[in-house]
Amino acid sequence: ETGVTQTPRHLVMGMTNKKSLKCEQHLGHNAMYWYKQSAKKPLELMFVYNFKEQTENNSVPSRFSPECPNSSHLFLHLHTLQPEDSALYLCASSSPNGLVQETQYFGPGTRLLVL
Amino acid sequence: TQLLEQSPQFLSIQEGENLTVYCNSSSVFSSLQWYRQEPGEGPVLLVTVVTGGEVKKLKRLTFQFGDARKDSSLHITAAQPGDTGLYLCAGTGGGADGLTFGKGTHLIIQP
Repeated sequence: ETGVTQTPRHLVMGMTNKKSLKCEQHLGHNAMYWYKQSAKKPLELMFVYNFKEQTENNSVPSRFSPECPNSSHLFLHLHTLQPEDSALYLCASSSPNGLVQETQYFGPGTRLLVL
Repeated sequence: TQLLEQSPQFLSIQEGENLTVYCNSSSVFSSLQWYRQEPGEGPVLLVTVVTGGEVKKLKRLTFQFGDARKDSSLHITAAQPGDTGLYLCAGTGGGADGLTFGKGTHLIIQP
């Protein structure tokens, strides 16, 4: 138990569906992240939020839409996904001090299958 | 684009043997982190190295950061089945930067 929870843990969706992934952190952190983990590829950073403001978007397709209503919650809204979007989506949080990378705490991930 | 190359990608050894995993890059990082990930779980941080040449020990695990802060190694002594997992190295520029991950090393320790 890392203090970061993700729901759902597993999700199967069709290419025309709309779904949302949820992440919640109970650690008092101010930065939250979405990563994508695919087979045979490195973990890829998708989005970074620092104090609820998006500070990084790594050229992610618009079919992925993040939302950070407060520093404890992070959503990833999904629509018209492609089969190649099937992956493990990981959320992380940290409390960076601006000098040295603080520990990022990861949730267990949502295993997504797009049919 | 910063890239981290990990080697080997797969390693299967017998209990009690020693092993070393490498993480290399042509880029300089403010810090490098090593994570371990088990099936169905997210990565869990093992160690962060910040200073060039730094060596950190965590029980049977020894981590080293290269002098130029471009590479790192993880050495496990007397490996045990409980060490089985995916070992990931990750680099960062600092602050609220996201992490740049290597592909990972899948380690299996056979009893």
